[in-house]
Amino acid sequence: NAGVTQTPKFQVLKTGQSMTLQCAQDMNHNSMYWYRQDPGMGLRLIYYSASEGTTDKGEVPNGYNVSRLNKREFSLRLESAAPSQTSVYFCASSEQGQGVWGEQFFGPGTRLTVL
Amino acid sequence: GNSVTQMEGPVTLSEEAFLTINCTYTATGYPSLFWYVQYPGEGLQLLLKATKADDKGSNKGFEATYRKETTSFHLEKGSVQVSDSAVYFCALNTGTASKLTFGTGTRLQVTL
Repeated sequence: NAGVTQTPKFQVLKTGQSMTLQCAQDMNHNSMYWYRQDPGMGLRLIYYSASEGTTDKGEVPNGYNVSRLNKREFSLRLESAAPSQTSVYFCASSEQGQGVWGEQFFGPGTRLTVL
Repeated sequence: GNSVTQMEGPVTLSEEAFLTINCTYTATGYPSLFWYVQYPGEGLQLLLKATKADDKGSNKGFEATYRKETTSFHLEKGSVQVSDSAVYFCALNTGTASKLTFGTGTRLQVTL
C-alpha cells in the first residue's frame, strides 16, 4: 500500500516551458487535491476533485490546469511556467463521505524551480 | 471567509521542555480542527484532530483542545524530543468537499 505517490520529486524548468505533475493514490479515495507550499504562506489549494469526473478551482488556480484521469490519478499541468510558480507541490486525497472530519493523506511532494 | 493564524516560528526548545504552539481560527459554521506535522523532506501527515467544541485530540504525547469560546486549538506537549523537530500546521475544515484551510506553519527545533 503506497498511499499517495507523486512524480517527479524534483524538476527544473525554464520560463515558458510546460510540464505535468503526476499523482496517484491506492486508497480508493474519491477526493483528490493539489496544493502549493511557499515559505511563510502555508499550503494553498490550487485545484481539487471531489469525485471522479469533477474538478473545481481552489484558492490559487491561475496558470494551472488539472485532469482527473480516473479514480486513482489526478494530474496538474503548467502550460507556460513562470518563476512565480517555483514552489513545492503536494497532492493529497481523502475519503468522501466523512463530512467535516475527513483526513487528507499527502504525497511526498514535487519541488519545482522555474528559471 | 475561513482563516487560521499560527504563532510565528521558529520555536527552539531543549529536549524535555514543554511545548505550546498557538492556533486561532475564523470560520463560518462549525469547523473541524486539525494539526498536521511535516518532517524534513516529507509530506504532511495528520497528528491529531477534534470535530466539536471541547473535544480534545491527542496523539504521540501531543494534545489540543477545541475551544469555541476563544476560537483556539493550541498544540501542547509536556516533554519534547529531538525527533519532534518538524513543521506543525494548524488547519480547519468546514465540510465543503473536505477542503482544508491551513495556517502558515510553525517550525519546531528541539536540541539536546
